Amino acid sequence: EVQVVESGGDLVQPGGSLKLSCVGSGFTFRSEWLGWVRQAPGKGLEWVASLSGDGRRIDYVDSLKGRFIISRDNARNSFYLQMNSLRDEDTAIYYCVRDVAFGRFDSWGQGTLVTVSS
Amino acid sequence: DPAMTQTPLSLSATPGQPATISCKSTESLLHSDGKTYLQWFLQRPGQAPQLLIYEVSRRFSGVPDRFSGSGSGTDFILKISRVEAEDVGIYYCMRGINPKTFGRGTKVEL
Repeated sequence: EVQVVESGGDLVQPGGSLKLSCVGSGFTFRSEWLGWVRQAPGKGLEWVASLSGDGRRIDYVDSLKGRFIISRDNARNSFYLQMNSLRDEDTAIYYCVRDVAFGRFDSWGQGTLVTVSS
Repeated sequence: DPAMTQTPLSLSATPGQPATISCKSTESLLHSDGKTYLQWFLQRPGQAPQLLIYEVSRRFSGVPDRFSGSGSGTDFILKISRVEAEDVGIYYCMRGINPKTFGRGTKVEL
């Protein structure tokens, strides 16, 4: 069974940093694109970024370029989202997704909550 | 920036009756590879979203055949042929070409 599981969500102060993790199983991890999608409380879905299986191709939503960095460690079947200079509006549930091709997000984690507040 | 517009934003459905959601893109979603990258997701209350339809009309594994997608270019439709109680939730369309962009969602209630 294909599965992705996020962790690392927490309460962080504005201006702070946080790193989210996602562990994948049930598929050939190094071969698959992975991505992050977030959802602010009571709001819709927003794609954040996607990363190719070999880590060489990265796509970000323009509004988050420079503050958020995605990476992966295929030896550990792990995928990460480093979030810097956090703002109140970054408060959201962050979902890890397997991106089979061009946004075919066929597996979603349960989400991890990031709260940015003083 | 490209945008995805869903209508209606809210839909009161009747069990056993059809329901239709429209999604319009400001840009053509036809890729140079000949495929059109428009996806549909359903987020049930309290759950993570799940994939229903990809590439306009391809049902994802396990998705009931009462769900169907159609359209081309910039205009797309998700149809539920006979609404069931488990279909309640928020439906999102999404362009699969970068920047991946979701519609605002359509809330379906009974």
